[in-house]
Amino acid sequence: TQLLEQSPQFLSIQEGENLTVYCNSSSVFSSLQWYRQEPGEGPVLLVTVVTGGEVKKLKRLTFQFGDARKDSSLHITAAQPGDTGLYLCAAYMEYGNKLVFGAGTILRVKS
Amino acid sequence: KAGVTQTPRYLIKTRGQQVTLSCSPISGHRSVSWYQQTPGQGLQFLFEYFSETQRNKGNFPGRFSGRQFSNSRSEMNVSTLELGDSALYLCASSLVLGSSDTQYFGPGTRLTVL
Repeated sequence: TQLLEQSPQFLSIQEGENLTVYCNSSSVFSSLQWYRQEPGEGPVLLVTVVTGGEVKKLKRLTFQFGDARKDSSLHITAAQPGDTGLYLCAAYMEYGNKLVFGAGTILRVKS
Repeated sequence: KAGVTQTPRYLIKTRGQQVTLSCSPISGHRSVSWYQQTPGQGLQFLFEYFSETQRNKGNFPGRFSGRQFSNSRSEMNVSTLELGDSALYLCASSLVLGSSDTQYFGPGTRLTVL
């Protein structure tokens, strides 16, 4: 059982559509991170959310941290082919002192 | 500033062999973490090194080991390779100890075990 459950696993959409990716857990986290990984590359940090209810925007990407700090979402407006990649959420586990990742959402944006 | 570099980028080995992967962190970063990424298990934490000492370890068998040198460069070793060790091995560096600090990932080493 994954500590961080991501949904959906796969998403294939047309350019210009909107989408939302979810990251859920039964645990409470002090912070949560979102990464994007492109083929042949390592994950790149997009954002870190810290406060319950926090909303952060990065151009067409909007990240939200749940009020109870157990879940997060990533919303992309007007998706573009350049958004294609694997989106990963991650949270720092104080027990074990390590970063734990969700299984990821593979996004494909077709032109 | 140069990013995290990993060598080699691709590696093919056979069962029973051993392998050593190398990671050079961003200049000034003292913490290096290693992760294994597979389609089935996703990204899993292997271990973290800081000041030449292993500080944290994930749930992997003793065949997986690592070390860090005085210049912060790190190597990981996998002995007696198994088919299930085929994966992308990622190295990440950060300024300070602790996975809560921003980690910068390298491109990874793709290991295939035949």
